[in-house]
Amino acid sequence: EIVLTQSPGTLSLSPGERATLSCRASQNVRVSHLAWYQQKPGQAPRLLIYGTSTRPTGIPDRFSGSTSGTDFTLTITRLEPEDFAVYYCQQFDNSRAVTFGGGTKVEIK
Amino acid sequence: QVSLQESGPGLVKPSETLSLICTVSGQSITSYHYWGWIRQAPGKGLEWIGNVYQTGATYYNQSLGYRLTMSLDTSKNQFSLNLHSVTAADTGVYYCARVVWMWEPPNFYYMDVWGKGTTVTVSS
Repeated sequence: EIVLTQSPGTLSLSPGERATLSCRASQNVRVSHLAWYQQKPGQAPRLLIYGTSTRPTGIPDRFSGSTSGTDFTLTITRLEPEDFAVYYCQQFDNSRAVTFGGGTKVEIK
Repeated sequence: QVSLQESGPGLVKPSETLSLICTVSGQSITSYHYWGWIRQAPGKGLEWIGNVYQTGATYYNQSLGYRLTMSLDTSKNQFSLNLHSVTAADTGVYYCARVVWMWEPPNFYYMDVWGKGTTVTVSS
């Protein structure tokens, strides 16, 4: 099973600041099989990024994704009040299994 | 506009079977998409339960697989989850989701439409 380790567990930032969230995979993950989700309290997760760096229609361009080897990064260039939430990375592997990272909470400083 | 809605009992007794249904609106479940279940224990992260494909083929989380049954009901445009021999550790919010898996390049895999979730408590 591929383990995804997200860091930090909590990120305390102010609106307007830049957020950098990390997701490290225990084995190689196909770029096309890595996604990011945003979850607010009491809500279902929302797809933010798929294929490591592709934004679905309607997702603002302040959200971006990138990778370097087994390290994946979600960047929010300028935090808006509505961006304070928990973020999860997710991968799909060759055995057709899915795993999620433990999540990073972005909270208001 | 595709939407998903979970339904089922909110309370299940230990050792019994948790049965949930996800009703899909706006799309036939026999189209090319796949369908999945994900859960979230109170205060915890997301855990993938399994996927069911339009052919009826299933892929389960290995840690749950021996207790799981997932299936499609094409006549009702629904898919279902049965989790047997539940314990308190199975308490949480259960989500159904549409899974996009492209077999041809670029081979994307992601879950793009989610239900609102249904809370299940395992308790006597």
